[in-house]
Amino acid sequence: QVQLQQPGAELVRPGASVKLSCKASGYTFTSYWMNWVKQRPEQGLEWIGRIDPYDSETHYNQKFKDKAILTVDKSSSTAYMQLSSLTSEDSAVYYCAREAVRGRAMDYWGQGTSVTVSS
Amino acid sequence: ENVLTQSPAIMSASPGEKVTMTCRASSSVSSSYLHWYQQKSGASPKLWIYSTSNLASGVPARFSGSGSGTSYSLTISSVEAEDAATYYCQQYSGYPRTFGGGTKLEIK
Repeated sequence: QVQLQQPGAELVRPGASVKLSCKASGYTFTSYWMNWVKQRPEQGLEWIGRIDPYDSETHYNQKFKDKAILTVDKSSSTAYMQLSSLTSEDSAVYYCAREAVRGRAMDYWGQGTSVTVSS
Repeated sequence: ENVLTQSPAIMSASPGEKVTMTCRASSSVSSSYLHWYQQKSGASPKLWIYSTSNLASGVPARFSGSGSGTSYSLTISSVEAEDAATYYCQQYSGYPRTFGGGTKLEIK
């Protein structure tokens, strides 16, 4: 069965960077794009960007272009998102979500990593 | 950017009632690329309806979706307590993908 495994939580200092992981299993990793989505407490969903694990092609929401970098490690079927220069505005839950080929819906989601930016 | 506006933001229904929530796009969206997600408190979103009207695996038949162009809707024919959640629409008409602000469904 398709699974996307994410660490539960990260505590990071303001100004620091963090690299979030999303380990995929149960399907061919390179056949499906991977999206990353941000959700602040009691807020809606915000699309950050997506990566094609086959060739590492990326597309970003302009809002996150200087904040997030998406990468993959094909050997371990893991997608990564690095967030830089963290502030309290970056405190949120970050989800990875696989994108179906048909219709481009996000058909499987990870459990999310809760990032807290605090000194 | 194609902005999605969902209404109402919050709605309350009694078990057995029929409910409809809407999603309006600032630009036309192909019906193939308009999707709905259900998110319960403390959980990840789940794909609920894809390509306007196709129920995802395991979604009860009391749910349905319809629409075209800039106006889409999700209907529950007879609400049950387990339907309490926030529902988000999402579009792919290029980049960026965007989500609506969500409709929170409360059960009386």
